[in-house]
Amino acid sequence: GAVVSQHPSWVICKSGTSVKIECRSLDFQATTMFWYRQFPKQSLMLMATSNEGSKATYEQGVEKDKFLINHASLTLSTLTVTSAHPEDSSFYICSARVPPGVTGYYGYTFGSGTRLTVV
Amino acid sequence: DAKTTQPTSMDCAEGRAANLPCNHSTISGNEYVYWYRQIHSQGPQYIIHGLKNNETNEMASLIITEDRKSSTLILPHATLRDTAVYYCIVRVLNMLTFGGGTRLMVKP
Repeated sequence: GAVVSQHPSWVICKSGTSVKIECRSLDFQATTMFWYRQFPKQSLMLMATSNEGSKATYEQGVEKDKFLINHASLTLSTLTVTSAHPEDSSFYICSARVPPGVTGYYGYTFGSGTRLTVV
Repeated sequence: DAKTTQPTSMDCAEGRAANLPCNHSTISGNEYVYWYRQIHSQGPQYIIHGLKNNETNEMASLIITEDRKSSTLILPHATLRDTAVYYCIVRVLNMLTFGGGTRLMVKP
């Protein structure tokens, strides 16, 4: 089936440092990936859409210089939280649009999420 | 903005059918309805999706009204492991925008 592997599953970092989160599509090519953020007891909020080989499109209110997204290949998208602060602590989830024809196709598959804690 | 409205929470007895409603009165003719669920601290899991016809798979059934302004997700025999937040989503511009979802609690 269409699986997206997200790493790390959790990370603790010091304030002011940067953290990179990886999202890999397994057994399919993902031309479009999405990054969401989820605060406790809240729903998922779309941060940005990344397309392979081009710049990401950020949702209103999301700082593109703080949340760097790279989608350099058809199977890998990365989110780097730069100069992290405690308010960036959240659950980050990636998603990939699955192309038709892939086994288990149903449109969109999600990673398992990364819990970021900034201390 | 999310285009769906769901009850905040619901309870269901184990072994009984869970019927989760969703209103999407502003849905357009070519917009799909997707259902995902999220168990605590995990990524959303796909359940089912549809356009206008009712759909059924191994997990659930999706009933869409004729005017497409609302739908119901049916878990035919709920188990304790079905306790989760269930999201009804109308796909717009090839992306999924999540609303508040329904927190389903399956009780013994």
